[in-house]
Amino acid sequence: QVHLVESGGGVVQPGRSLTVSCAASEFTFSSYAMHWVRQAPGKGLEWVAVIWFDGSKRDYADAVKGRFTISRDNSKNLLYLQMNGLRVEDTAIYYCARSRRGRYGDYFFDHWGQGTLVTVSS
Amino acid sequence: NFMLTQPHSVSEFPGKTVTISCTGSGGSIADRYVHWYQQRPGSAPTILLYEDNQRPSGVPDRFSGFVDNSFNSASLTISGLQTEDEADYYCQYFDTNNHWVFGGGTKLTVL
Repeated sequence: QVHLVESGGGVVQPGRSLTVSCAASEFTFSSYAMHWVRQAPGKGLEWVAVIWFDGSKRDYADAVKGRFTISRDNSKNLLYLQMNGLRVEDTAIYYCARSRRGRYGDYFFDHWGQGTLVTVSS
Repeated sequence: NFMLTQPHSVSEFPGKTVTISCTGSGGSIADRYVHWYQQRPGSAPTILLYEDNQRPSGVPDRFSGFVDNSFNSASLTISGLQTEDEADYYCQYFDTNNHWVFGGGTKLTVL
């Protein structure tokens, strides 16, 4: 049973930094690309960032590029999202999600954590 | 940039059939596959359909998907509606900029 548990959320002032983590278990973490997806209160899902299985490639949504950094530690089965220069509009539940290839080779999110809430407020 | 548009809400009675649309703009929806997620209130999303119409194990065959290239849209159909189907539903697509795009979500109310 794939298990993803996020932690590190909280209340932070605008302009400050915060790092959230995701602990993975019950699967070979180093074999999968991992993502962060966020959901503002009462709003829809927004993809934030991806890191390839070996950390060789990372990509970001335009809204966070240059401010957020995704990283992973395959020896500890941990995924991170370092968020700098936080803005009020970054307030959201941050989910970590695993992606895998389907039968026809396209990628989708097959497992999600329960999320950690980040609130940016003065 | 490729975008996906969904109706804000739909509603139907138990036992009936409902269809949720997901319309693409800024590109051809046929270029890649569409995936669907279900998010029940207070819970994380879960995969419902992948690659247009593939059901993961555990998803009942009441859920089906279809892509209509002529309308540049995908649809999720739920037949034999049950109260437990009341949730938000999101379509998702992997666009040519190598970004994962979600539709705005549709709230399904089972009357």
